[in-house]
Amino acid sequence: NAGVTQTPKFQVLKTGQSMTLQCAQDMNHEYMSWYRQDPGMGLRLIHYSVGAGITDQGEVPNGYNVSRSTTEDFPLRLLSAAPSQTSVYFCASSYALAGYEQYFGPGTRLTVT
Amino acid sequence: QQQVKQSPQSLIVQKGGISIINCAYENTAFDYFPWYQQFPGKGPALLIAIRPDVSEKKEGRFTISFNKSAKQFSLHIMDSQPGDSATYFCAASALYGGSQGNLIFGKGTKLSVKP
Repeated sequence: NAGVTQTPKFQVLKTGQSMTLQCAQDMNHEYMSWYRQDPGMGLRLIHYSVGAGITDQGEVPNGYNVSRSTTEDFPLRLLSAAPSQTSVYFCASSYALAGYEQYFGPGTRLTVT
Repeated sequence: QQQVKQSPQSLIVQKGGISIINCAYENTAFDYFPWYQQFPGKGPALLIAIRPDVSEKKEGRFTISFNKSAKQFSLHIMDSQPGDSATYFCAASALYGGSQGNLIFGKGTKLSVKP
C-alpha cells in the first residue's frame, strides 16, 4: 500500500500561471480532501469529496477547482496562481466523511512569485 | 471564524517532563476529537482520538482529557522524549452534521523536548 501520494513535492509558479496538484490513494477511501497549511494558521480545508462525482467547498475554496472522476484520484487545480496561494498543500483520505482517521499525503510546497 | 482554539502556540519541555496542550471548541455538535502529530516535512498523522462518551483516553504515554461541560479537551504527553518534538494539532468534527463532518483544526502547537 502506497497510501496517499502527492505530486509534485515542490513547485514554483509565476503569478497568473495555472497548474494541477495530483493526489491519489490506494485504500479505496470514499472521502478525500485538500488542505492548505500556512504558518500559524493550522490546516484549512479547501475542497472535499465524499465519493466519485461529488465535490464540495471547504473553508477557503476561492482560486481552486477540483473534480473526482475516480475513487482513487482527487486533483486540485489552481486556475490563476497568486502569491497568496504560496503554501504547503496536503491531500488526505479516509473511509468516510466523519469520525474516521484521515490519512495525509506528504504534501506539496508551492511558491508563487 | 475559528471554531477550535488551541494553546499554547509553542511549548518547550525538558526530557522526562509532562507536555500539556489545550483546546477549546464552540460548536456543541462536535462529537469526535482527534489529535494529529506532524514532523517537519511530513504530513500530519493521527495520534489519538476521543469521543464525548468518555472523559479520558490513554494510549501509552499519550492521554486525552475531555471536559464536555467546559467544551475543552487536552493532550498530555507523559515522560516527554526528544523524539516527541513535533507540531501537534487538535481537531473536531460532528459525526451527524453534514459538512460539519469535516475536521476543523486548531492552529497547532510546536513542541520541543530538550535533552
